[in-house]
Amino acid sequence: SAVISQKPSRDICQRGTSLTIQCQVDSQVTMMFWYRQQPGQSLTLIATANQGSEATYESGFVIDKFPISRPNLTFSTLTVSNMSPEDSSIYLCSVGQVHNEQFFGPGTRLTVL
Amino acid sequence: QKEVEQDPGPLSVPEGAIVSLNCTYSNSAFQYFMWYRQYSRKGPELLMYTYSSGNKEDGRFTAQVDKSSKYISLFIRDSQPSDSATYLCAMSGGRNYIPTFGRGTSLIVHP
Repeated sequence: SAVISQKPSRDICQRGTSLTIQCQVDSQVTMMFWYRQQPGQSLTLIATANQGSEATYESGFVIDKFPISRPNLTFSTLTVSNMSPEDSSIYLCSVGQVHNEQFFGPGTRLTVL
Repeated sequence: QKEVEQDPGPLSVPEGAIVSLNCTYSNSAFQYFMWYRQYSRKGPELLMYTYSSGNKEDGRFTAQVDKSSKYISLFIRDSQPSDSATYLCAMSGGRNYIPTFGRGTSLIVHP
């Protein structure tokens, strides 16, 4: 399985600011994903990060709010823009393997005041 | 009705008990079934993976899939305090290759 790291591990931000979360994988992977995990809720897929093209966003998530970069096969960033307290959540990146298994990073715990 | 239903618990059991965790689903196209374990302040880790119906055993863990009933289970034998975590089921298949996750069940194994 791939080893995945995320930065920062946690942050406390002010309303209206933006935060960029980094995800680094120790091997080249085709599929990378960004999820949100709110307390008591299931993992919600935000988008699929595609290398060399725009990310594919799920219903309810838009590029202006969650811009994503995927410059190569081992790295991706997710930006949470113009944050509000409702964006307080855990943000997770994952990589997809064969047969749809996914491996997750440790997550970024975001609190917006 | 959600595609995947999972009781959030918490489920509290004594050490050594057999634990049964379950999920139901509505999408008959699902054919890949996974269980993830998530410790507090950590990302989910893949615990068990099964394809289609049947059982799969790995040490103290057994995953069971009943496609006719759209019901999957994870059994933990001889449960330990270190098993205390949230267990998420996930499934995919057909046109939906990205797994759909349950809410997770919080398990507490007390000494």
